[in-house]
Amino acid sequence: GAGVSQSPSNKVTEKGKDVELRCDPISGHTALYWYRQSLGQGLEFLIYFQGNSAPDKSGLPSDRFSAERTGGSVSTLTIQRTQQEDSAVYLCASSPGTGFVTGELFFGEGSRLTVL
Amino acid sequence: AQSVTQLGSHVSVSEGALVLLRCNYSSSVPPYLFWYVQYPNQGLQLLLKYTSAATLVKGINGFEAEFKKSETSFHLTKPSAHMSDAAEYFCAVSASNFNKFYFGSGTKLNVKP
Repeated sequence: GAGVSQSPSNKVTEKGKDVELRCDPISGHTALYWYRQSLGQGLEFLIYFQGNSAPDKSGLPSDRFSAERTGGSVSTLTIQRTQQEDSAVYLCASSPGTGFVTGELFFGEGSRLTVL
Repeated sequence: AQSVTQLGSHVSVSEGALVLLRCNYSSSVPPYLFWYVQYPNQGLQLLLKYTSAATLVKGINGFEAEFKKSETSFHLTKPSAHMSDAAEYFCAVSASNFNKFYFGSGTKLNVKP
């Protein structure tokens, strides 16, 4: 597609439920990143994919968080047993990859998650 | 390890005045530095980047930033603010492999008429 697409744009869920957030990167971009943006805070790194593999999962806040990427394209971030502190905007970004030294990240508009 | 500190979560300037948004970084390796802008209800977009070429970097919409290694700074400036510059600005640092980008906490710029 023309840009990074994220869905849903808004999600309201009850504490304890599982949620899935989807990211569709720009076609051909091999690198994909997930960040979390909480109110009044900066962007918190969650996970990075190069192709389908995730060499860096260090940012995932707990084992309730997981992410996968299939076919080197679409990625899904799953949060199990959601807690109120998970409420945030989840941002996805893609990049042509480390072979292209532009360093530019292309961001989606985010998925706003509210846990009641 | 790398990190970014943005001084001032909110900055307010009058239209036509100088814009100065501060960013200091910490990096154990030669850094790549970026400024991103987030307009209301939009995704972040790249404003400018430093990748070890010229230390004074020009970006879109009249913004520029200067890499000062001795001060570990990468402050963002614009000579004359415009109402359309009202947005949130994020400074970021990355190592050369671009595996991870560390972002600052952001500075919201308000432009008064």
